Amino acid sequence: EVQLVESGGGLVQPGGSLRLSCAASGFTFSSYSMNWVRQAPGKGLEWVSYISSSSSTIYYADSVKGRFTISRDNAKNSLYLQMNSLRDEDTAVYYCARDLGMDSPHLGYWGQGTLVTVSS
Amino acid sequence: AIQMTQSPSSLSASVGDRVTITCRASQGIRNDLGWYQQKPGKAPKLLIYAASSLQSGVPSRFSGSGSGTDFTLTISSLQPEDFATYYCLQDYNYPFTFGPGTKVDIK
Repeated sequence: EVQLVESGGGLVQPGGSLRLSCAASGFTFSSYSMNWVRQAPGKGLEWVSYISSSSSTIYYADSVKGRFTISRDNAKNSLYLQMNSLRDEDTAVYYCARDLGMDSPHLGYWGQGTLVTVSS
Repeated sequence: AIQMTQSPSSLSASVGDRVTITCRASQGIRNDLGWYQQKPGKAPKLLIYAASSLQSGVPSRFSGSGSGTDFTLTISSLQPEDFATYYCLQDYNYPFTFGPGTKVDIK
């Protein structure tokens, strides 16, 4: 069974940093591309970032480009999101999501999310 | 970035009703569109991918259609567990973009 478990959320001041983790199990992590998606309280979904299986290809939403860094450690079956220069508008539940298939870029599997609150 | 719109933004329906939600892309995206269901406090769930392919385990009352810029999600007979918010997502190119969502509640 595919499992994705996010951690690392919490309260941080504006301008601060936070690192989110996503622990994967139940599949060959190194074979799949991964994504981060967020949802501000009471708002819709926003795609944040993508990383290919080998980390060779990375994309970001314009809203986080230059501030957030996605990475992965295939030996540890883990995905990360380093978030710097955090702003109030980054407050959201952050989900990691796996592509449906190895050549299928649909967000087929999701974690339960971790809440990031940016506030002074 | 490709802009996605959805209509309606909300609707009220009864159990057994046929429900249709539409999604429009600001440019052609072939059939690279997915539909997601989200219930309060839960992660989104993939229902339909590639515009019309039913994800494994999803009931057959859900169906999708369309290509290019106009897409439709249809629930043939609304069930109590279908009351939720539905989002479309274009996965044609990055940055991926979601529609603003359609909330389906009980009439």
